[in-house]
Amino acid sequence: EAGVAQSPRYKIIEKRQSVAFWCNPISGHATLYWYQQILGQGPKLLIQFQNNGVVDDSQLPKDRFSAERLKGVDSTLKIQPAKLEDSAVYLCASSLASGGTRRSTDTQYFGPGTRLTVL
Amino acid sequence: AQSVAQPEDQVNVAEGNPLTVKCTYSVSGNPYLFWYVQYPNRGLQFLLKYITGDNLVKGSYGFEAEFNKSQTSFHLKKPSALVSDSALYFCAVRPYSSASKIIFGSGTRLSIRP
Repeated sequence: EAGVAQSPRYKIIEKRQSVAFWCNPISGHATLYWYQQILGQGPKLLIQFQNNGVVDDSQLPKDRFSAERLKGVDSTLKIQPAKLEDSAVYLCASSLASGGTRRSTDTQYFGPGTRLTVL
Repeated sequence: AQSVAQPEDQVNVAEGNPLTVKCTYSVSGNPYLFWYVQYPNRGLQFLLKYITGDNLVKGSYGFEAEFNKSQTSFHLKKPSALVSDSALYFCAVRPYSSASKIIFGSGTRLSIRP
């Protein structure tokens, strides 16, 4: 079974430029997550999708970050314009969880991440 | 606030010795608990999880973790460390109030010396 795919693996940009990351989850996984992992810290959830709908984007800096999952499969995360403090690894994860309010026992599976450096 | 703490930034162990990586949590209700490992330039790999039942959970690569409700802990253990176990380890919790969201600790760097 193929894992979570992400591209690019590395990206270097200058501040105020824009950048986009792509994620393809494990086949059949309804839930997709984007995390930001700053060096020395644990991953922080940016946004969670259930199929093509947003479940939680409370920690997404919406003035500069946007994300979409139009067909309920792959997803893109965009930063525009980038700031120095956006330098981090951006991780995508997916899980089977198909929705509802009942707590899921599912495991989240992670992609290799995209390391972003903003100069 | 619901959170998970990993009190040690780094743990150093000699190869062949037992290892323990500590994790404590602060959530309401019964937590679901997870351990992930991250190798350099790689994403997080799932090791094991506690949902319910036996407090001792066995996972990948010979790791196990013990859920202790009274001490609100979920320490990761391995009887005999390998150099290849050197990596960054993250504890995570899914609170009772969350359908699927998990909260990560800050991570512990495990270093195994030959």
